[in-house]
Amino acid sequence: DAMVIQNPRYQVTQFGKPVTLSCSQTLNHNVMYWYQQKSSQAPKLLFHYYDKDFNNEADTPDNFQSRRPNTSFCFLDIRSPGLGDAAMYLCATSSDFSGGETQYFGPGTRLLVL
Amino acid sequence: GQNIDQPTEMTATEGAIVQINCTYQTSGFNGLFWYQQHAGEAPTFLSYNVLDGLEEKGRFSSFLSRSKGYSYLLLKELQMKDSASYLCAVMDSNYQLIWGAGTKLIIKP
Repeated sequence: DAMVIQNPRYQVTQFGKPVTLSCSQTLNHNVMYWYQQKSSQAPKLLFHYYDKDFNNEADTPDNFQSRRPNTSFCFLDIRSPGLGDAAMYLCATSSDFSGGETQYFGPGTRLLVL
Repeated sequence: GQNIDQPTEMTATEGAIVQINCTYQTSGFNGLFWYQQHAGEAPTFLSYNVLDGLEEKGRFSSFLSRSKGYSYLLLKELQMKDSASYLCAVMDSNYQLIWGAGTKLIIKP
């Protein structure tokens, strides 16, 4: 089945220790998104890629970076995690960036910062 | 600014009907999505409305009124597995999804 895969499902890191979260998709979608979601809050878009074009949200901290080496894979790098970065990180894909295009989500990675 | 409002929490009884409302103010409109999210899991797509009216899909229906900036999700014949958060999201003029914080639906036997 075509899907969005995120690894790991749970990640524990130490304050200030860099961490990388990964996402892969078998849907062959052009667009990949990274969201941060804290408990009982709306998902917050961090950035998205349209193919290789990177789009950063204005309020995404510089501490968050992303890489998309090919169509299938996308990575979220948190350079110096703080306690406030503990959250669920959701990867999503859509076939295009236009009206009506559904975003399909991976299972998420829950990040704990100690 | 852009804003999506939906109730924080609702409670309903197994077998009953529940309506979850969503009001929005966004820069442009390219459709409204409803997603279901079980605790600790990713959102899953339920419905998409871009024209006014009711879209029915099995036990779930979604309604849109663009002039009122209003939508609702109607769940019929509630089952225990419907206990989840329901997220309303509007696609704005830049094709970005603006998300509500979700409505936590609690189903009681």
